[in-house]
Amino acid sequence: GENVEQHPSTLSVQEGDSAVIKCTYSDSASNYFPWYKQELGKRPQLIIDIRSNVGEKKDQRIAVTLNKTAKHFSLHITETQPEDSAVYFCAASISTGGFKTIFGAGTRLFVKA
Amino acid sequence: SAVISQKPSRDICQRGTSLTIQCQVDSQVTMMFWYRQQPGQSLTLIATANQGSEATYESGFVIDKFPISRPNLTFSTLTVSNMSPEDSSIYLCSVGGGAGAGELFFGEGSRLTVL
Repeated sequence: GENVEQHPSTLSVQEGDSAVIKCTYSDSASNYFPWYKQELGKRPQLIIDIRSNVGEKKDQRIAVTLNKTAKHFSLHITETQPEDSAVYFCAASISTGGFKTIFGAGTRLFVKA
Repeated sequence: SAVISQKPSRDICQRGTSLTIQCQVDSQVTMMFWYRQQPGQSLTLIATANQGSEATYESGFVIDKFPISRPNLTFSTLTVSNMSPEDSSIYLCSVGGGAGAGELFFGEGSRLTVL
C-alpha cells in the first residue's frame, strides 16, 4: 500500500521568512496530493492540492510542487505569519480508489513574531 | 462542502468496555472514511465505510475490534470494542468531496480516553 514520508517533523521560522515541507510517496498510482493544515484542537482542513498532471500550483503565499518521476512533492509558504503556526500534513491518494487518502507524519510549524 | 457531525465529542471509558461513535453528514456522500489520530500524531486510516456492504479495513485494523456500520449515504458508526488504554485517541469521520474532487472533509472528532 501507499506510504508517505514527510520532513521535517518540526520547523521554526522567523515571521516573514519562507517555510518548505517535503514529502515522498511510494505508490506510483497515486495521482492526487493534498495538503492539510490542522490548528490545535481543530479538524484538518485542506489548504492546497495538486494533481499528477500538474507540476506546480500556487495560491497566494502557498505553493506546491510535484515531481512524479522522483515521487516528491513539497509545500512552500512565503512571507510566513504567526497565524501560519500549525501542523501541516501532506497526503497521497488515488482517484480510482475513491480517494482513499494516506497521510504523512506531519510537520509542526512555528512562526516566531 | 459537507457538514459533518460526530458524537460523542469526548468520552472517558473503562477498560474492557465498548463505545460507538456516530457520524452524520448533511448530504449524501459516496465515500466515508474513519481515521484515528493519537496525541501529537498523524491521521491513520482505519477503514472505508461502504454503504450496503462490509467496510474495507486497512492493515492493522480488524472488524472484531472496530466494527463499522453504514446503513445509508449520510450516516455511519464506528465501534471501538473491548477498549484498552492504547485505544485512547481522537477518532475522526471524514467524507470525500464528491464528483472526483478528492478533498476530504472531517468531523470535529471524538476524543476517547480509556482508563
